[in-house]
Amino acid sequence: ETGVTQTPRHLVMGMTNKKSLKCEQHLGHNAMYWYKQSAKKPLELMFVYNFKEQTENNSVPSRFSPECPNSSHLFLHLHTLQPEDSALYLCASSQEGLAGAGSSYNEQFFGPGTRLTVL
Amino acid sequence: KNQVEQSPQSLIILEGKNCTLQCNYTVSPFSNLRWYKQDTGRGPVSLTIMTFSENTKSNGRYTATLDADTKQSSLHITASQLSDSASYICVVSAGGAGTASKLTFGTGTRLQVTL
Repeated sequence: ETGVTQTPRHLVMGMTNKKSLKCEQHLGHNAMYWYKQSAKKPLELMFVYNFKEQTENNSVPSRFSPECPNSSHLFLHLHTLQPEDSALYLCASSQEGLAGAGSSYNEQFFGPGTRLTVL
Repeated sequence: KNQVEQSPQSLIILEGKNCTLQCNYTVSPFSNLRWYKQDTGRGPVSLTIMTFSENTKSNGRYTATLDADTKQSSLHITASQLSDSASYICVVSAGGAGTASKLTFGTGTRLQVTL
């Protein structure tokens, strides 16, 4: 798991708290992602950053706020969350190819996740 | 709407036995199909990736097959071990420049290997 690391691994917070999740990738990739994984549901893509620019925001509530200060670090700032936001939050990174470049499938490498519980 | 359906939802097998997990998809245009293994409370780890032209790929005791005509894939696990207990997720990528928005995830098959 040294490729993509996430902290903290577990987080319990009240609905009025403000917390942040951190992700760091050591693979030299240029794209990073936040996913939400709830029980018995497919992974849900939340945000995509490509070359530090946010390229995707899949209708995520504003109580989730991403930050990507550089291509190696990604944060997810949390505030006034709801109990239904309790889930495993996964960070991933990949090397996205430029148009016309050879494809390496743009494989995503996932971190271990942060188990979030909102009380 | 792009969809990936996996079956069975869960499976229990004895150590040493073989098993096959199924994945059916309706993703268009198709770029590649991936199988991930996810241990409980951990992130998914890639097992295999197959493009349209590949119909089988192995990774140790894991063998994935792809039938692009019927839009089906299977993951066969040979001589199962206790460490194979995990969720196995099928992910299909739509064509075009690779971005995460073109990935469609299945809900996974939960495999439990017992003594």
